[in-house]
Amino acid sequence: DAKTTQPPSMDCAEGRAANLPCNHSTISGNEYVYWYRQIHSQGPQYIIHGLKNNETNEMASLIITEDRKSSTLILPHATLRDTAVYYCIVRVNNAGNNRKLIWGLGTSLAVNP
Amino acid sequence: DAGITQSPRHKVTETGTPVTLRCHQTENHRYMYWYRQDPGHGLRLIHYSYGVKDTDKGEVSDGYSVSRSKTEDFLLTLESATSSQTSVYFCAISESVRTRIGYTFGSGTRLTVV
Repeated sequence: DAKTTQPPSMDCAEGRAANLPCNHSTISGNEYVYWYRQIHSQGPQYIIHGLKNNETNEMASLIITEDRKSSTLILPHATLRDTAVYYCIVRVNNAGNNRKLIWGLGTSLAVNP
Repeated sequence: DAGITQSPRHKVTETGTPVTLRCHQTENHRYMYWYRQDPGHGLRLIHYSYGVKDTDKGEVSDGYSVSRSKTEDFLLTLESATSSQTSVYFCAISESVRTRIGYTFGSGTRLTVV
């Protein structure tokens, strides 16, 4: 089962910030939070990830609460091309060489003109 | 994405026939993964590889086998296709378990079993 909870859908006006929440209340101390997005019919695309500290890159910012039980992905100036399904994923450490990602259903973000 | 290609992009096959999907990478990444994506389920891991000839099962491996004889190629085989295997299949690669850039996914193969 997925270990994250996200709203199924959100809307955002073009040019405004899109704030996508994720709950991961059972996260353990050495698990990272990853964000991906999937534009219709394409493969998922990596956005950002973090462990404890807030992170920023050219695509987005990731804010992780101090207790690490939730996080928010921020797209600072959403465009129509940001319309996609956004997945928040906790990375599970398995024995051996596999770092399996458990995928939920994500948040379908619609950016409106 | 550049560096990872899946073939074919689309395939229609009949129940009971064998099918092989190919994932090819030019990034020399160690880890390769096969996922399937179905409505209401998200992405589910079928099999993965952590090196040449080193593979292991994921959460939905029944009815699938894989092979990796070269670093760049990871093949997914449906020994006898069933309608329940109609899905979109994605291949992914990653450089290491400590990768800082996550996984890179291919564009997907849409398989229909009739």
